[in-house]
Amino acid sequence: DGGITQSPKYLFRKEGQNVTLSCEQNLNHDAMYWYRQDPGQGLRLIYYSQIVNDFQKGDIAEGYSVSREKKESFPLTVTSAQKNPTAFYLCASSIGPASYEQYFGPGTRLTVT
Amino acid sequence: DQQVKQNSPSLSVQEGRISILNCDYTNSMFDYFLWYKKYPAEGPTFLISISSIKDKNEDGRFTVFLNKSAKHLSLHIVPSQPGDSAVYFCAAKDSGTYKYIFGTGTRLKVLA
Repeated sequence: DGGITQSPKYLFRKEGQNVTLSCEQNLNHDAMYWYRQDPGQGLRLIYYSQIVNDFQKGDIAEGYSVSREKKESFPLTVTSAQKNPTAFYLCASSIGPASYEQYFGPGTRLTVT
Repeated sequence: DQQVKQNSPSLSVQEGRISILNCDYTNSMFDYFLWYKKYPAEGPTFLISISSIKDKNEDGRFTVFLNKSAKHLSLHIVPSQPGDSAVYFCAAKDSGTYKYIFGTGTRLKVLA
């Protein structure tokens, strides 16, 4: 079965610690994305990558970092510099110009105390 | 600066009736629009899309209308079913990029 996996589903961390959220896809998609959702708000773009070894900042990249060393993997690190890290994080991928639909993973709910 | 707006946070509709969800945008460079459906604690799932060169796209019970002059799109669900109860997001793609801007969502409740 092709799809996007995010792990873990729930993650708890102490303030001041960096944490890395996993995102893997076996859809052979070129583009991958990280979004953040807060209560009452839409999805806000953190980072996106159009191709391996390349990525661009989205609207709220401060306090986050990413890497794209492999086509199928796009991990997101939430650093201690992120002021309000508690949120629901969603990873997505899209095939490219031929198809605009994004396929989303199940999400990771991160709680930082 | 919200480029994609969904001004109605919630909508309730009787089963069997039409649901109309609205979305407004400000950027005339958007070239593709999509609607997603999302259940709590899950990722959104793609519903239907429309290119900026079209004004209507239909898929079963779902129809999306695009009014470029008004920078407005809408999603019609006919007939509405209880299983359609979810949060619906509209999204717009920035032309020449893979960047998507999402609205804040509208929670649809279909009453049996």
